[in-house]
Amino acid sequence: EAGVAQSPRYKIIEKRQSVAFWCNPISGHATLYWYQQILGQGPKLLIQFQNNGVVDDSQLPKDRFSAERLKGVDSTLKIQPAKLEDSAVYLCASSFQGNGYTFGSGTRLTVV
Amino acid sequence: AQSVTQLDSHVSVSEGTPVLLRCNYSSSYSPSLFWYVQHPNKGLQLLLKYTSAATLVKGINGFEAEFKKSETSFHLTKPSAHMSDAAEYFCVVSDLGGGADGLTFGKGTHLIIQP
Repeated sequence: EAGVAQSPRYKIIEKRQSVAFWCNPISGHATLYWYQQILGQGPKLLIQFQNNGVVDDSQLPKDRFSAERLKGVDSTLKIQPAKLEDSAVYLCASSFQGNGYTFGSGTRLTVV
Repeated sequence: AQSVTQLDSHVSVSEGTPVLLRCNYSSSYSPSLFWYVQHPNKGLQLLLKYTSAATLVKGINGFEAEFKKSETSFHLTKPSAHMSDAAEYFCVVSDLGGGADGLTFGKGTHLIIQP
C-alpha cells in the first residue's frame, strides 16, 4: 500500500511570501489531517477534513493559513503571507474511520 | 478538551537497562491513546495504541504500555534498551467526541541510550 505522499520535501521562502504544500493521502482514507511541528515540539493539529468537508479547524490561523480538499482526495495547505514563526515541518496524515493514522514524511519550511 | 503531559523532557538510560517514559492524559470522553516514535529526520512511526480493549498494550520493538484509568496514565516501558531506541517519543491522545478525532501530542521525551 502506498503511503501518504507530500511535496515538496523542503522549502525556503522569505517572510511575507506565500507558499503551498500538497498532500495525497492513502487511497480510500476519508479523513485527512494537517499538523504543524515546530522544532523541539510535538505536532499540533491545524485542520481535519472528512472527505471534502472541514471537521475541525479551531487551531488554524485563518488570517494567513488556508486549506482545501476540493475533491475529497488530495489536499493543499497554503500560507500567505508567511512569518518567521511559521518555520516548521508540516505533516499530513490520513486515516480510515479513525482506525490508525498514517503520516507522510512532511514538508520542512524555513522562512527567512 | 484533551491534553497530554509527558513528565520528562529527556530520559537517559544505559544500553540493556529498562526504559520508562511517563505520560499522563486528560480527556472528556473515552480516549484512544498512542505512543509514536520519531527518529532524527524521519517520519512518525506508531509504536502502539490503546482503544479500550486490554489495558496492557504490546507494541513493536519490545515496547509496551499500560493504561491506568484511575491514575490517568499511559506509561511506556521496555525491559532492555537498545542503541537503536534513541529517538524522540510522543504520547498522544485522541477522543472521539463529536467526530473530531485529531490527535493531541505531548511535547515529547528525548530518549538517550548510553553505551
